[in-house]
Amino acid sequence: NAGVTQTPKFRVLKTGQSMTLLCAQDMNHEYMYWYRQDPGMGLRLIHYSVGEGTTAKGEVPDGYNVSRLKKQNFLLGLESAAPSQTSVYFCASSSNSGTVSYNEQFFGPGTRLTVL
Amino acid sequence: DQQVKQNSPSLSVQEGRISILNCDYTNSMFDYFLWYKKYPAEGPTFLISISSIKDKNEDGRFTVFLNKSAKHLSLHIVPSQPGDSAVYFCAASAETGANNLFFGTGTRLTVIP
Repeated sequence: NAGVTQTPKFRVLKTGQSMTLLCAQDMNHEYMYWYRQDPGMGLRLIHYSVGEGTTAKGEVPDGYNVSRLKKQNFLLGLESAAPSQTSVYFCASSSNSGTVSYNEQFFGPGTRLTVL
Repeated sequence: DQQVKQNSPSLSVQEGRISILNCDYTNSMFDYFLWYKKYPAEGPTFLISISSIKDKNEDGRFTVFLNKSAKHLSLHIVPSQPGDSAVYFCAASAETGANNLFFGTGTRLTVIP
């Protein structure tokens, strides 16, 4: 079991360039999430998905788009990167088991993105 | 507006002593609270959680206490070990059906051998 994996691990972009971050999970989880972490701040939710083909906005969705075409993958896109999007991006997944009140999120190792 | 707050950015403790990490929240709709631990260059990993119907949950050296009236929770680590040195994030969730989490800003714990 690889758990949650993220590709790439590091990336440097110029302002205005586009890129896609890939998240994959092999735990058959229904829910997937994208967060960003900035210095002095906690993780903030960008977008999330409660199932294949569905997406929803989190706390800080502006400037990002997502897609969940397959259950195991969740893609985060930046159409026109800005220096304010320099951050560490974490993907997470969780199950939706109805037998417990809450299902913990499992996180990937992160992608460090720098926008010049 | 930060709904989950960790007011201590860092904490240093001697090995073998107790570490107490604190967390405050503002949203009374939060009904589940978690602590995550994060090492450098890794993603956060789940440590311990507590439901709002409880006031204490224990797992080995780790105990989480919840004071709902004060909207405060704390994580106790006893005894502290050098391997516990990491950043600890408090997180909270309201009943939304999607397990969305709101994170605090983190406390960096250093356990001195």
